[in-house]
Amino acid sequence: ETGVTQSPTHLIKTRGQQVTLRCSSQSGHNTVSWYQQALGQGPQFIFQYYREEENGRGNFPPRFSGLQFPNYSSELNVNALELDDSALYLCASSFSGGAEDTQYFGPGTRLTVL
Amino acid sequence: KQEVTQIPAALSVPEGENLVLNCSFTDSAIYNLQWFRQDPGKGLTSLLLIQSSQREQTSGRLNASLDKSSGRSTLYIAASQPGDSATYLCAVPNRDDKIIFGKGTRLHILP
Repeated sequence: ETGVTQSPTHLIKTRGQQVTLRCSSQSGHNTVSWYQQALGQGPQFIFQYYREEENGRGNFPPRFSGLQFPNYSSELNVNALELDDSALYLCASSFSGGAEDTQYFGPGTRLTVL
Repeated sequence: KQEVTQIPAALSVPEGENLVLNCSFTDSAIYNLQWFRQDPGKGLTSLLLIQSSQREQTSGRLNASLDKSSGRSTLYIAASQPGDSATYLCAVPNRDDKIIFGKGTRLHILP
C-alpha cells in the first residue's frame, strides 16, 4: 500500500509568482483535502476534492485553486503569491463512503515566499 | 462555528513521567475526534481516532478519552520517552465534515 506523497519537498518563490503543489493519494482513496499550516499554528482547511469536484472550501481567496485527476491525485495552485502564503502545505487523502474516514497525511511541501 | 483549543501550548517533562494533554471543542455535534503527532517540519501522523460512540481508545502507551457532552478530550501518555517529543494536534470535524485543528501542544521530554 503506497502512502500519501507530495512534491516538491521545499520551494522558494517571490511575491507575485504562481506555484503548483502536487499530491498523490494513498491507494484506494477517492478524496483529497489540502491544508495550510503557518509556523506555530494548526493546519487550516483550504479545500477538499471528491471524485474530481470541489467538495467544500475554507476561508481562502480564489487565488487558491485546485484540481483532482481521474487517478485521484491532486494539485494545489496559488496565484499572485504573498509573503503570508509562506507555510507548510499538507494534503490528506481518505476514502469517502466507507466505514472509516481517517485522513492520511503526506509529509507536506514547505513554501517560502520572499 | 467549531473551535478547537489545546492546553497547554507547550510542556516539558522529565523522561518516565506520565502526562496528559488537553483538547476542548465548542460544538459537541461531532462524529469523531482524532489525535495527531507532528515532528518538526514534517507531516502529520494519526495516533488515535475516537468515534463519537466511544469514550476512549488505546494504542500502546497512548490513551485518548472523549467526553462529547463537555466538549473535551484528553491524550494520556504513559512512561514518557525522549522519542515522544513532538507537537500533538487534536482535530474534529465541523458540521460541513471538514477537519478543524487545534494549534497543538509542543511536548519536550527531558532525558
